[in-house]
Amino acid sequence: DSGVTQTPKHLITATGQRVTLRCSPRSGDLSVYWYQQSLDQGLQFLIQYYNGEERAKGNILERFSAQQFPDLHSELNLSSLELGDSALYFCASSVAPRIGNTIYFGEGSWLTVV
Amino acid sequence: ELKVEQNPLFLSMQEGKNYTIYCNYSTTSDRLYWYRQDPGKSLESLFVLLSNGAVKQEGRLMASLDTKARLSTLHITAAVHDLSATYFCAGRKGGSEKLVFGKGTKLTVNP
Repeated sequence: DSGVTQTPKHLITATGQRVTLRCSPRSGDLSVYWYQQSLDQGLQFLIQYYNGEERAKGNILERFSAQQFPDLHSELNLSSLELGDSALYFCASSVAPRIGNTIYFGEGSWLTVV
Repeated sequence: ELKVEQNPLFLSMQEGKNYTIYCNYSTTSDRLYWYRQDPGKSLESLFVLLSNGAVKQEGRLMASLDTKARLSTLHITAAVHDLSATYFCAGRKGGSEKLVFGKGTKLTVNP
């Protein structure tokens, strides 16, 4: 158990819908990352927050957004869902960026769009 | 742009044998990560390598980093079935926050 908690673990939804994935980082970790894992794209970085502020953006679609709240939990919002959005979404956390710390991954949220 | 390539992508080996997974990266990476993933599960951190010549070992796994060659290796000694999993390496370009992952090496250890 990495200490990073993600909910829900599994989600099935229809095209065009909107979902929210939630992440609680490890106790004491200020940095939260979101990654998408799919068979065709592999593991792709989406976005990173540090202490409530966006720090880095990767290949995140405009239909997707995220935020980190004052209690440091984070949410990833996916809207106007398409079949191709079906993937495993990981949240990860670390103490702080740019330090040689381990980045810990959660169990992931399986999203299936039908 | 940092690119990370692993090889082989698939590796089938017998218990008791040794083998090495290679991770090449295209531009300067200020650290190199190795992760293990069981099917449908999370990514488990194995090693973080920070400097040239760094070597870390845990059980039957040993990772090393050669920044001049832009190469990291994950060496498996006397493989056992429990090591069957997919292994990912990831680099991080200096000044960037994101990890760039390789495609992963699916390791199967046969009795």
